[in-house]
Amino acid sequence: AQSVTQPDIHITVSEGASLELRCNYSYGATPYLFWYVQSPGQGLQLLLKYFSGDTLVQGIKGFEAEFKRSQSSFNLRKPSVHWSDAAEYFCAVGARYSTLTFGKGTMLLVSP
Amino acid sequence: DAEITQSPRHKITETGRQVTLACHQTWNHNNMFWYRQDLGHGLRLIHYSYGVQDTNKGEVSDGYSVSRSNTEDLPLTLESAASSQTSVYFCASSETIPGELFFGEGSRLTVL
Repeated sequence: AQSVTQPDIHITVSEGASLELRCNYSYGATPYLFWYVQSPGQGLQLLLKYFSGDTLVQGIKGFEAEFKRSQSSFNLRKPSVHWSDAAEYFCAVGARYSTLTFGKGTMLLVSP
Repeated sequence: DAEITQSPRHKITETGRQVTLACHQTWNHNNMFWYRQDLGHGLRLIHYSYGVQDTNKGEVSDGYSVSRSNTEDLPLTLESAASSQTSVYFCASSETIPGELFFGEGSRLTVL
């Protein structure tokens, strides 16, 4: 069975600074990887996904993530954080014909 | 625009009562899912369905049931509500497995 670890429960970043949110997964074959964002009181919205091909994937709102098979990681990055990026971020992993398993989330706080 | 709607958005009930949370999607997706979200646990899968008359148990299915009589709806029933079922419940749908999940805005359930 697959599993996901998001090591950071909370991260605080200054507005304008770069961001990296960590995600490590456990799965024997090639995983299907996702990052979702959840604003307060809202459902989750897909930021980006990786199924195959180029290991650097671009998403919405200026986010990108890089799949590193050797490190079993799929870290989310953004070069310059805006106050509106404050939210909770979830990494998820899936396998072919299976449901998604979500990490426990990382809460991003943006300081002025 | 296609969407996925949940009702009620907020509900307070008493221990032992039966509760049904509704989920309706207009994406025409075959795949539908129910998750619960709790602090420190992220999203955990309760039940899912890959089509009409198909239902499957997820990671935390005890005390919950679902039925799928048409493509659009997957109601979640708590047969006898318990305080441990106080949570925020999210319904989601997807076109493929695995694939992008489209989430509702959630139903906050409090069991007293």
